Amino acid sequence: EPEVTQTPSHQVTQMGQEVILRCVPISNHLYFYWYRQILGQKVEFLVSFYNNEISEKSEIFDDQFSVERPDGSNFTLKIRSTKLEDSAMYFCASTTREGADEQFFGPGTRLTVL
Amino acid sequence: KQEVTQIPAALSVPEGENLVLNCSFTDSAIYNLQWFRQDPGKGLTSLLLIQSSQREQTSGRLNASLDKSSGRSTLYIAASQPGDSATYLCAVRPRSGGYQKVTFGTGTKLQVIP
Repeated sequence: EPEVTQTPSHQVTQMGQEVILRCVPISNHLYFYWYRQILGQKVEFLVSFYNNEISEKSEIFDDQFSVERPDGSNFTLKIRSTKLEDSAMYFCASTTREGADEQFFGPGTRLTVL
Repeated sequence: KQEVTQIPAALSVPEGENLVLNCSFTDSAIYNLQWFRQDPGKGLTSLLLIQSSQREQTSGRLNASLDKSSGRSTLYIAASQPGDSATYLCAVRPRSGGYQKVTFGTGTKLQVIP
């Protein structure tokens, strides 16, 4: 069964460093998302991406964040200068259509900022 | 702003019991509602998706209902098993004003005791 994959599973970085989190969505899906979950808190929407551009973003998704689909399979989230409060699980998700279908989530990347 | 609440926050039941998890949302203008389970340190597994025009969806021992007018959804689990132990999340997709911005609930942590 097709699934969303994410790498790495765990990333440790120093404050101020840039990190890139990678996702491979399900191959026939068209809409891609990033969410984050700070330990013990809710899952929060960050950004949605369609047709090679951001379709929506939340207040959390400021200038420190960017997303890209560099080729036909990968979808990346870049954090330019990490802060301690960026420590969280980051989940990638994808759907076939804009809103009618289930979102399928990847296993997540645990980001730890020291 | 959509608020999604899940009560109870935690629930412990003996194996074999039927149980109901609750999800409440403040804005009834929704596109759909999706239930997930999350195992500790893992990603989200989709359980059921209910479109706004539907009243319920069933998958195996799971049945989810939706009452948009009252802002409520329930997830019914029949004949619970220890393998059902996980955190259950509901997520609401709005109908307008940014319908990619899915809002997640606070979650119900379920423990099924053998």
